[in-house]
Formats: sequence, C-alpha cells, structure tokens
Amino acid sequence: DQQVKQNSPSLSVQEGRISILNCDYTNSMFDYFLWYKKYPAEGPTFLISISSIKDKNEDGRFTVFLNKSAKHLSLHIVPSQPGDSAVYFCAAGDNFNKFYFGSGTKLNVKP
Amino acid sequence: GAGVSQTPSNKVTEKGKYVELRCDPISGHTALYWYRQSLGQGPEFLIYFQGTGAADDSGLPNDRFFAVRPEGSVSTLKIQRTERGDSAVYLCASSPQPGNSPLHFGNGTRLTVT
Repeated sequence: DQQVKQNSPSLSVQEGRISILNCDYTNSMFDYFLWYKKYPAEGPTFLISISSIKDKNEDGRFTVFLNKSAKHLSLHIVPSQPGDSAVYFCAAGDNFNKFYFGSGTKLNVKP
Repeated sequence: GAGVSQTPSNKVTEKGKYVELRCDPISGHTALYWYRQSLGQGPEFLIYFQGTGAADDSGLPNDRFFAVRPEGSVSTLKIQRTERGDSAVYLCASSPQPGNSPLHFGNGTRLTVT
C-alpha cells in the first residue's frame, strides 16, 4: 500500500514558465516532507524540505507548499530552466526517520 | 567534502550467489539507511542504523538480506542466494542525526542477477 503517491509520471514545461509537481500522502502521522531531484545514474539529491508546522518553505526558485488537511504537497519551480530536467521524488516521514518515497515525476523543461 | 560512497557501482551475479554491497557514509553522520529502487519506482526503505545498531530493519524483504555496521561508520548489505527479483539499484544514505533531517544519498549499486 503506497503511502506517498505522485500521480503524474511526467510533466513538460517551457523554459521560463512555472513547473508544479504534486504529491499526496495517506498517513496523518507524517510530519516531515522532502523533495529530491535525480539525474540518471546518480543518487537522489536533496532539494528542499518542509516540516508539518509550516505550510510553505522557499529556497530560491524552489517553493514547497504543504496542505495538511488535504494531505497534499507541491513543489513549484519558477522560472523553470532546462537544467531542471530530471526525475523529482517526494518523500514523507515521521519522527522515526523512515522515509516513504513516491514513484517520481519526470520533468522535461524545453528550451 | 566527500559524499556518501558506494561500491561497487555495478554488480552482475548469477542466481544463487552471495553478494556484498558497501556503503561509506559522510564522516560524522550517525544515521545510515539502505534503500532499494526498482525501475520506475521510488526508493523503498530496507533498514536504518543509528550508530552500530539496526534501529529499524522492517523493510528487509526476507532473511536472505542482512546488513551490518560494526564500527558505526561503513555498512555492508549482504544478500544470500540471490534471485532475479533482487535486481535493482541499492541506495545508501546518511544523515547527521535521526529525526527530521534530510538524507544524503550515494550514487547506488546497480545489482543485476542473471
């Protein structure tokens, strides 16, 4: 039973526009959420995180939004750049450090 | 600084053989994790170490899988009697402390069982 779901396997966006990646979770005990970016043949690279006490966290072009009542989080990338093309994973965990990952969304930013 | 190092990067083995996969975490990171990623899926939790002890091994699929971290640094994931279904990328990650801190992943070991 998947506790973290990314329902869009792929997303294509024009350079300079906003990319919005979505993630849903089922376990209300999750209190820490992360986004990772992955290039082929490399391990996932940490991008941004958010704790359940917040509903927004921003780092440069990347913003993560958390809607606890809907058990939904999203990653906004603006403006999108071709170098952002990668697979993005969301992950969620509780205080015990066991993180559950979604199946990923492949983002393609077209020049 | 040095990141998480995993060796080998690729391993091809025959069904039924024994394999060991090694992970060298970031220096000073007390928490170490093993995940497994199959094609088209996200990483799947296997086991988590805090120091030398396995704090949570609930993700190990069966008793053919075992992991150790004898000195609280390097960890080895051991798979006995490998099966074709074990083929995947095995990812190791570390973090400076348990609790709400991000995991830093290595590049993984791609295991292929023929």
